[in-house]
Amino acid sequence: DTGVSQNPRHKITKRGQNVTFRCDPISEHNRLYWYRQTLGQGPEFLTYFQNEAQLEKSRLLSDRFSAERPKGSFSTLEIQRTEQGDSAMYLCASSIGDRGPYDEQFFGPGTRLTVL
Amino acid sequence: DAKTTQPNSMESNEEEPVHLPCNHSTISGTDYIHWYRQLPSQGPEYVIHGLTSNVNNRMASLAIAEDRKSSTLILHRATLRDAAVYYCTTLSNFGNEKLTFGTGTRLTIIP
Repeated sequence: DTGVSQNPRHKITKRGQNVTFRCDPISEHNRLYWYRQTLGQGPEFLTYFQNEAQLEKSRLLSDRFSAERPKGSFSTLEIQRTEQGDSAMYLCASSIGDRGPYDEQFFGPGTRLTVL
Repeated sequence: DAKTTQPNSMESNEEEPVHLPCNHSTISGTDYIHWYRQLPSQGPEYVIHGLTSNVNNRMASLAIAEDRKSSTLILHRATLRDAAVYYCTTLSNFGNEKLTFGTGTRLTIIP
């Protein structure tokens, strides 16, 4: 399968713990995006990378959130000192990145985080 | 990105056409209209996009109003596998690549 993969698929943690999610984009996709989706809502943009450079961060991304894409391939999203409000589906998407408004984003299946 | 407005839910009978409307009255002249859908327990998937002219692909057709303030996604013959939440969004031609999703339209297909 050459689609976007995310691990783990589910994560249950206690409030105050740190969690890290991984996203493996489609090979040769230069852009990688992170979104968050809560129940009944559409996905909300968090941040995106062009290769290894993080180009934009949403105001939703508090200081407890950090994302990296160290070699321009896979990416990690870390949440420190988790809060119950962090419970959501975290979606990763990738795109070729050089097609402007034609750039189709391919989404992974998401990581569902539950903070107890 | 332009704000989009869609009905919360729609129903359609299987094997009949479905017309999913979207209003984007604040769209700028260079914004593209994109549609994604999200099947249950999956991430969103791209459906179609357009600028001014109507567009067709293997999944659907996109009809864009002449003033571009609204568009309609057309599924020509709905199947049970088309049951999903459909999102309409816009993308600027000037590099604002992030997708802004509303709450979408939940499409139910009646067998």
